[in-house]
Amino acid sequence: AQSVSQHNHHVILSEAASLELGCNYSYGGTVNLFWYVQYPGQHLQLLLKYFSGDPLVKGIKGFEAEFIKSKFSFNLRKPSVQWSDTAEYFCAVKTPTDKLIFGTGTRLQVFP
Amino acid sequence: EAGVAQSPRYKIIEKRQSVAFWCNPISGHATLYWYQQILGQGPKLLIQFQNNGVVDDSQLPKDRFSAERLKGVDSTLKIQPAKLEDSAVYLCASSFGQIVGAFFGQGTRLTVV
Repeated sequence: AQSVSQHNHHVILSEAASLELGCNYSYGGTVNLFWYVQYPGQHLQLLLKYFSGDPLVKGIKGFEAEFIKSKFSFNLRKPSVQWSDTAEYFCAVKTPTDKLIFGTGTRLQVFP
Repeated sequence: EAGVAQSPRYKIIEKRQSVAFWCNPISGHATLYWYQQILGQGPKLLIQFQNNGVVDDSQLPKDRFSAERLKGVDSTLKIQPAKLEDSAVYLCASSFGQIVGAFFGQGTRLTVV
């Protein structure tokens, strides 16, 4: 069965620190990969996506993610976090049948 | 462009009662998803529609949950009878292509007491 795992359940950082959130997926075929963000009280929003080409993709608000096919990973990074990045982050995989599967999420708290 | 609309936003019911949620996806989006998100967990896919057909409902507890998408547009998700463990946020999302992510509604927060 397809699955997505996120290694960090809760991450606490100070402003300007660098961020890396891990994501691994389990699926044998071609997938499209996504990171979503959920700010407090808001709905899930797309942060970035990968479907082909350059494995390093850039998203909104300075986030980027790298797809490493051999490791089935799609880690999210940001060089310098801000207080406004406090949110929950979800990695997701879309299969060829459009099935969209989410990981368990990582709660990020950024302190000034 | 209007987003995914869901109603109600909040619902409190007693266990063994029934409840229904409604979703209106973005116009033209063929794929519609219902997710259950329990506090502290990621969204769990309950059912996926392609137009008015079911593509995947492998994680839908069919003894109590049902969903339909008549005419391939809006959709309803029903729980009958509800259990305490059904307390969660129910999310509806829609999509129009393989390389496109899904667009989410605000969700319905269900509390079963």
